[in-house]
Amino acid sequence: DAMVIQNPRYQVTQFGKPVTLSCSQTLNHNVMYWYQQKSSQAPKLLFHYYDKDFNNEADTPDNFQSRRPNTSFCFLDIRSPGLGDAAMYLCATSSTGEFEQYFGPGTRLTVT
Amino acid sequence: QKEVEQNSGPLSVPEGAIASLNCTYSDRVSQSFFWYRQYSGKSPELIMSIYSNGDKEDGRFTAQLNKASQYVSLLIRDSQPSDSATYLCAVNARNTGKLIFGQGTTLQVKP
Repeated sequence: DAMVIQNPRYQVTQFGKPVTLSCSQTLNHNVMYWYQQKSSQAPKLLFHYYDKDFNNEADTPDNFQSRRPNTSFCFLDIRSPGLGDAAMYLCATSSTGEFEQYFGPGTRLTVT
Repeated sequence: QKEVEQNSGPLSVPEGAIASLNCTYSDRVSQSFFWYRQYSGKSPELIMSIYSNGDKEDGRFTAQLNKASQYVSLLIRDSQPSDSATYLCAVNARNTGKLIFGQGTTLQVKP
């Protein structure tokens, strides 16, 4: 089945220790999104890629970076995680012209 | 005014009843509207999309859109305990690829 996969599902990191979250998809969608969702809040868009074109949200902290080496994979790098970065990180995909977004299972990040 | 507003609930309905979830949005340019279901600790799952005024039915789910009133709703017929979740309304932002989410309404279906 075509799907969006995120690894790891759970990640524990120490304060200030860099961490990378990964997302892959078999849907062949050209648009990939990264969201941050904290408890009882709506998903918050961090950035997205149209193909290789990177689009950062204005309020996304510089601490968050992203890479998309090919159509199928996208990475979220948190350079120096703080306690406030503990959240569920969601990857989603869509196709240009189609506005429906499909989410992966998410990565739950804990910062100690 | 928030761009997409939902009553956070919880909305509690008995099993077998109709659950009605409501959402209003502020941008008249929006043309695409979505309902996502999110179980606790899980990721959002797309359950309905609607683009035209009127009703769209899919199984026990009916989405209703009224662009003049800037209002979109989701009806769940014959509610089941397994429908207990948070329902997120999402609106396409100015017909870009980005979605604006409401805060979500928590639905509790009691056996």
